[in-house]
Amino acid sequence: NAGVTQTPKFQVLKTGQSMTLQCAQDMNHNSMYWYRQDPGMGLRLIYYSASEGTTDKGEVPNGYNVSRLNKREFSLRLESAAPSQTSVYFCASRKDGYGYTFGSGTRLTVV
Amino acid sequence: AQKITQTQPGMFVQEKEAVTLDCTYDTSDPSYGLFWYKQPSSGEMIFLIYQGSYDQQNATEGRYSLNFQKARKSANLVISASQLGDSAMYFCAMRADTGRRALTFGSGTRLQVQP
Repeated sequence: NAGVTQTPKFQVLKTGQSMTLQCAQDMNHNSMYWYRQDPGMGLRLIYYSASEGTTDKGEVPNGYNVSRLNKREFSLRLESAAPSQTSVYFCASRKDGYGYTFGSGTRLTVV
Repeated sequence: AQKITQTQPGMFVQEKEAVTLDCTYDTSDPSYGLFWYKQPSSGEMIFLIYQGSYDQQNATEGRYSLNFQKARKSANLVISASQLGDSAMYFCAMRADTGRRALTFGSGTRLQVQP
């Protein structure tokens, strides 16, 4: 099915460990986004990519890096995980116009 | 910078009644879009309705309508004939029509539909 695929769906990390959250879309969208959602809050933008090879910081970029190596994939990396990064992470892509498609989310717990 | 305010952390409604979820926004962008998303307990983000800032008529999608009052900077969601399946978190969001076009979200309203 066409859409945005995020892996993994769940992850538990120890403080200081690193990991990469994967996101892929098969809708030929140019723009892709990473958001985090903390309990009781709305989604906040971490990073944005307008096209392959370009990325830009969002509202809460500290502690994260991203990579957009091709049009389909936009990955989010935590180099040294901290408990404050415990959250649900959503990837989204946007087509021209106003349509956004969200992935199903990655629930990350840092202990 | 854009800001979305949802002042109702939780709402209750009786099945088959209508309910209004409040949303106010602030932006300096001349052209923008307003969105409502539903997030059920399963966690996915479900798009409900969109309103462009220059749209003359309020948007409607089935049982959902958006009460857009530009001068008051409000974009309230009205759900008619509530159903038990409407119980969820509801997020108001906006984005500028230029630049990165990233969505800015409010903190959400948890709606519970009672039988």
